[in-house]
Amino acid sequence: EAQVTQNPRYLITVTGKKLTVTCSQNMNHEYMSWYRQDPGLGLRQIYYSMNVEVTDKGDVPEGYKVSRKEKRNFPLILESPSPNQTSLYFCASSLDPSGIRNEQFFGPGTRLTVL
Amino acid sequence: LAKTTQPISMDSYEGQEVNITCSHNNIATNDYITWYQQFPSQGPRFIIQGYKTKVTNEVASLFIPADRKSSTLSLPRVSLSDTAVYYCLVGSSASKIIFGSGTRLSIRP
Repeated sequence: EAQVTQNPRYLITVTGKKLTVTCSQNMNHEYMSWYRQDPGLGLRQIYYSMNVEVTDKGDVPEGYKVSRKEKRNFPLILESPSPNQTSLYFCASSLDPSGIRNEQFFGPGTRLTVL
Repeated sequence: LAKTTQPISMDSYEGQEVNITCSHNNIATNDYITWYQQFPSQGPRFIIQGYKTKVTNEVASLFIPADRKSSTLSLPRVSLSDTAVYYCLVGSSASKIIFGSGTRLSIRP
């Protein structure tokens, strides 16, 4: 089944404890992206990648890191999480490298709480 | 990316046709118009995409006038399960894709 998977789905952590949220897609998509969603603010793009080893900042990249060493994986790293990073996170992928000329497929989401 | 403006919320009844309009006055020549649907605590789901005139698929139609400064998503004969947030995106490149706040559609019995 074609899908985007994220792990973990739920995470409660404490300020400053490094964490990684994994994202994997099995559709051989070029484009991958991370979004966060907060009440009243819609989805905001954190980072995106148009191909292996090619990543770029989205709208709200501060406090996050990403890497794209393999085509299928695009982990989101929070080196020192803070309470303002408490949010619902979505990973997405798309066949077209632009991410917008074809549909994006979204993962199920990761709900992160930073205490 | 072109800025988009949508109504914050809309209400309708089961069986009605619902039209949600998105304004994108500064759309660029190469920009596509894409609509997504999102249910609570789920990732957005692609509905339809178009460049000009009319596009139709099994769930919706997208009407784009000649000047392309707006677009209308049309949902025929809605049901309760169409209650969701609908986002309009306009662009042609990967740079800073912005979903905006979307339109919250509520369908009543």
